[in-house]
Amino acid sequence: AQKITQTQPGMFVQEKEAVTLDCTYDTSDPSYGLFWYKQPSSGEMIFLIYQGSYDQQNATEGRYSLNFQKARKSANLVISASQLGDSAMYFCAMREGDNFNKFYFGSGTKLNVKP
Amino acid sequence: DTEVTQTPKHLVMGMTNKKSLKCEQHMGHRAMYWYKQKAKKPPELMFVYSYEKLSINESVPSRFSPECPNSSLLNLHLHALQPEDSALYLCASSQGRGHETQYFGPGTRLLVL
Repeated sequence: AQKITQTQPGMFVQEKEAVTLDCTYDTSDPSYGLFWYKQPSSGEMIFLIYQGSYDQQNATEGRYSLNFQKARKSANLVISASQLGDSAMYFCAMREGDNFNKFYFGSGTKLNVKP
Repeated sequence: DTEVTQTPKHLVMGMTNKKSLKCEQHMGHRAMYWYKQKAKKPPELMFVYSYEKLSINESVPSRFSPECPNSSLLNLHLHALQPEDSALYLCASSQGRGHETQYFGPGTRLLVL
């Protein structure tokens, strides 16, 4: 089974609107971490936000927030007030258990922000 | 500062060449990673060095040879590559003490002719 599933290959959003990128995960380990990365066409993977499995509150970083629903095993990324520079590929990733060095990546969502 | 640098940015090599990719970080991180990424796909883990020792090799062909000369440097030596090895090669680092956020470099775009 896939550890991380991103079901939206591509998304469009109007500039200044909010957008939600979906991510579901599969693990039986009670300890895990969830990450979102942004990859512009230049190639660099930019770390956006982290959520630990034991964190009580949803993570937020500026315009990025993570909608963490543990029972549903989902960790959706919400980008508020989209900007043209947000156009990029977005990857959800998970680390599980004590295996701190191994990330499982989803297949990615290509976000296009329209002016 | 969360900067990881990689050189070169672009590399074109023939199948008989030997070349090396270089990665450097000065964040005091003790885990460093090599990933391979094909177009429109997620990164695939190749190697992990933890405290300068190779801790993970994801069954990578021997034509890729990693080296970690010190805690700040990570090299990937390339020899007798195939055209299908053309990809973006990403380096990343993390603190390595259970703080697992990985910070990535800009990558090297490799083309094998």
